[in-house]
Amino acid sequence: GAGVSQSPSNKVTEKGKDVELRCDPISGHTALYWYRQSLGQGLEFLIYFQGNSAPDKSGLPSDRFSAERTGGSVSTLTIQRTQQEDSAVYLCASSLDRGSPLHFGNGTRLTVT
Amino acid sequence: GENVEQHPSTLSVQEGDSAVIKCTYSDSASNYFPWYKQELGKGPQLIIDIRSNVGEKKDQRIAVTLNKTAKHFSLHITETQPEDSAVYFCAASSPGEVSGGSYIPTFGRGTSLIVHP
Repeated sequence: GAGVSQSPSNKVTEKGKDVELRCDPISGHTALYWYRQSLGQGLEFLIYFQGNSAPDKSGLPSDRFSAERTGGSVSTLTIQRTQQEDSAVYLCASSLDRGSPLHFGNGTRLTVT
Repeated sequence: GENVEQHPSTLSVQEGDSAVIKCTYSDSASNYFPWYKQELGKGPQLIIDIRSNVGEKKDQRIAVTLNKTAKHFSLHITETQPEDSAVYFCAASSPGEVSGGSYIPTFGRGTSLIVHP
């Protein structure tokens, strides 16, 4: 079946521009996660959505980062006024419910020039 | 919050040898420990996981052991093959205190496994 889909796969943007990254989770999965992976680094948690509950935004690095999940399905991560240090691979994952294994997409590689 | 340490950062073995990757965690409430394999250009994929009510789990050539007292867990790969070459991540999660029990996994920094033919 279809896995987690992320788009675009690659994004190059100029410093100061806004970007939107999209995630289509597996159908029926109630939990959705965003992580950031910098070169040679582990996975840094950004934000978590579970059903209709308020999202856990505790991992967002600054107020330039925001995310929403519409209709309990598709999620969009928005980075405003991008900086060079925002360059990384942004990974989205979904799980059937909290405590279930995560299924990751292939990520969006963001390059800020 | 949870802190997961993973060692080694790089592991180079000959085909057919065994490989062991070790992780420690800090939160004694953590009760779920998955391992992920990430190939170049792809997202991490779950390869095996263990919950705190068991000490060991095996799936063909891979096994995971858990020592809750010492707060460490390990991934064992036997009879390594070139296709095992990838970055491996351990993770730990607990019910947590936010979002009514979020189980948000905390990941280690990864181990790059290289299997030489």
